[in-house]
Amino acid sequence: GESVGLHLPTLSVQEGDNSIINCAYSNSASDYFIWYKQESGKGPQFIIDIRSNMDKRQGQRVTVLLNKTVKHLSLQIAATQPGDSAVYFCAEKDNAGGTSYGKLTFGQGTILTVHP
Amino acid sequence: DTGVSQDPRHKITKRGQNVTFRCDPISEHNRLYWYRQTLGQGPEFLTYFQNEAQLEKSRLLSDRFSAERPKGSFSTLEIQRTEQGDSAMYLCASSLTGSNQPQHFGDGTRLSIL
Repeated sequence: GESVGLHLPTLSVQEGDNSIINCAYSNSASDYFIWYKQESGKGPQFIIDIRSNMDKRQGQRVTVLLNKTVKHLSLQIAATQPGDSAVYFCAEKDNAGGTSYGKLTFGQGTILTVHP
Repeated sequence: DTGVSQDPRHKITKRGQNVTFRCDPISEHNRLYWYRQTLGQGPEFLTYFQNEAQLEKSRLLSDRFSAERPKGSFSTLEIQRTEQGDSAMYLCASSLTGSNQPQHFGDGTRLSIL
């Protein structure tokens, strides 16, 4: 029914805390990764990306960490604000195979709730 | 705002009807993508275009689905003989050419089949 698939991982934090959202990806050949933020009724919004030749990349208040050994990606949000409340998705892309230049494969998503 | 634009935002139709959605990408982007998203799930890839050429189609894209990008600018996604299982959010994204270019999404068209 409709309740299936709504059981996303959730993270609740207080305003001002740091948040860490985790993602396990499946394809060891994936070499490009993106984090998206999706608010209710809107499309995914690009936050930050990272290539597989890097293990860390920083943006404004956000940091992405990549551990290729264990196929793990994380998004760190510093000084989390109520406006950061949303569903966060990681996405991976495999450029090496040569057969799928376009496809992003999305993870399950994590619901982040920031309490004032 | 020069982001990805999708029309309509919402579509309600009866089972068996045909529907068509439009996507206008970011103007300098020559790659355009269609995804489908159901409640509580991440987007699932359907198809993508490099300019006017449709280069990849997912197995999710049954023969009732067709996408076009005739002039390499806007794109349309048509679903024929809609079924209840087609109810979803249909998302369009665009990007520059290149293997590591981020895809930027529109706000989608929500399709409800009665």
